[in-house]
Amino acid sequence: DIQMTQTPSNLSASVGDSLTITCRASQSISSWLAWYQQKPGKAPKLLIYRASNLERGVPSRFSGGGSGTDFTLTINSLQPDDFGTYYCQQYDRSSSFGQGTRLQIK
Amino acid sequence: QVQLVQSGAEVKKPGASVKVSCKTSGYTFSDNGISWVRQAPGQGLEWVGWISVYNGNTFLTKDFRGRATLTTDTSTTTAYLELRKLKSDDTAVYYCARVRNAYSESYPLDFWGQGTQITVSS
Repeated sequence: DIQMTQTPSNLSASVGDSLTITCRASQSISSWLAWYQQKPGKAPKLLIYRASNLERGVPSRFSGGGSGTDFTLTINSLQPDDFGTYYCQQYDRSSSFGQGTRLQIK
Repeated sequence: QVQLVQSGAEVKKPGASVKVSCKTSGYTFSDNGISWVRQAPGQGLEWVGWISVYNGNTFLTKDFRGRATLTTDTSTTTAYLELRKLKSDDTAVYYCARVRNAYSESYPLDFWGQGTQITVSS
């Protein structure tokens, strides 16, 4: 099974800041990685697929990068609506999620 | 527009079974698979498994093999997750999600249901 590890687990940032969340796979997954945002009590929302492709309708301040085992999600010019928990998901071999990164806005 | 609407919350006793439905609309049902994901209270997302609506192929993670069954009804464009021999650890919100491919589970999940709370308690 492929294990996904996200860092950090918790993050606090201010409106206007830029930040990066990291996701590491236990083995190479090429670019078969997605990022999701989840707000409390809501279903996750797809942000990025195939490591760096922005899902339709997602603001361009979100961007993804990486390949192989190391991946990043970057949010530029943080907005109040960006709070929530972010998950990476590998879909190279079946599927599995990282443990999540909780983002709080200061 | 694409929608996935799940059945309501359920409370079950340990050892019982539950069947969660996921009614889809707004797209051709057989063009996409359905994955199931669960989230225990205060925890992260756990992928349960996947079904191809196109050919009925399924995949379940180890923790669910032998205890879960995934099915679909193409006449009503509805997917189902049945979970048997429930334990308190199965208490979670269960989500269905559309897989961006008809033939494989290895694709992103682009539309999600609202979630179904399953509570297992004696």
